[in-house]
Amino acid sequence: DTAVSQTPKYLVTQMGNDKSIKCEQNLGHDTMYWYKQDSKKFLKIMFSYNNKELIINETVPNRFSPKSPDKAHLNLHINSLELGDSAVYFCASSASGVGYTFGSGTRLTVV
Amino acid sequence: GQNIDQPTEMTATEGAIVQINCTYQTSGFNGLFWYQQHAGEAPTFLSYNVLDGLEEKGRFSSFLSRSKGYSYLLLKELQMKDSASYLCAVRGSDYKLSFGAGTTVTVRA
Repeated sequence: DTAVSQTPKYLVTQMGNDKSIKCEQNLGHDTMYWYKQDSKKFLKIMFSYNNKELIINETVPNRFSPKSPDKAHLNLHINSLELGDSAVYFCASSASGVGYTFGSGTRLTVV
Repeated sequence: GQNIDQPTEMTATEGAIVQINCTYQTSGFNGLFWYQQHAGEAPTFLSYNVLDGLEEKGRFSSFLSRSKGYSYLLLKELQMKDSASYLCAVRGSDYKLSFGAGTTVTVRA
């Protein structure tokens, strides 16, 4: 069983569309994260949830809205997609900030 | 905040040793991690240091000096499969993990 799974793996969409990426972890971790990796391979944290509560919210456009229905799921919804949103988005989870496990990534391409 | 520096690229020969340095400046320190990332894949955990000294795990070792804000990852007996990006990451007092830009290691036959 995949520990941290995110869908879809690839997403190609037009500018202005709204899209969602889903993430689920079966590790029993209490904290989940969204990271963005740009073309220069730099991994930057976007959001973090601990037991369904938002604890980290970096400087991210408010077009990005995370939602955590329970501590095993953290979804990312993006409104009005822009070309600059093209990147690989990684979901991760940890047990109170110890030992991060990453999902396989979602490659988003905005055309 | 965190400021993490590591070299962009390194090249080494199969069977050799490579040392990847990482320096950091942080407002709060709660551990340093090294991750390996192959092209198109997720980062995978390699090592964790929270106290000064050397942690050895098979062919990979990681060293930390908190007073110097310095760590290195040592890869021994390099294999072709070790060609990847190596990410240094610092966990702050808020438990947020911040990454460096990564070092791309190319292993040549």
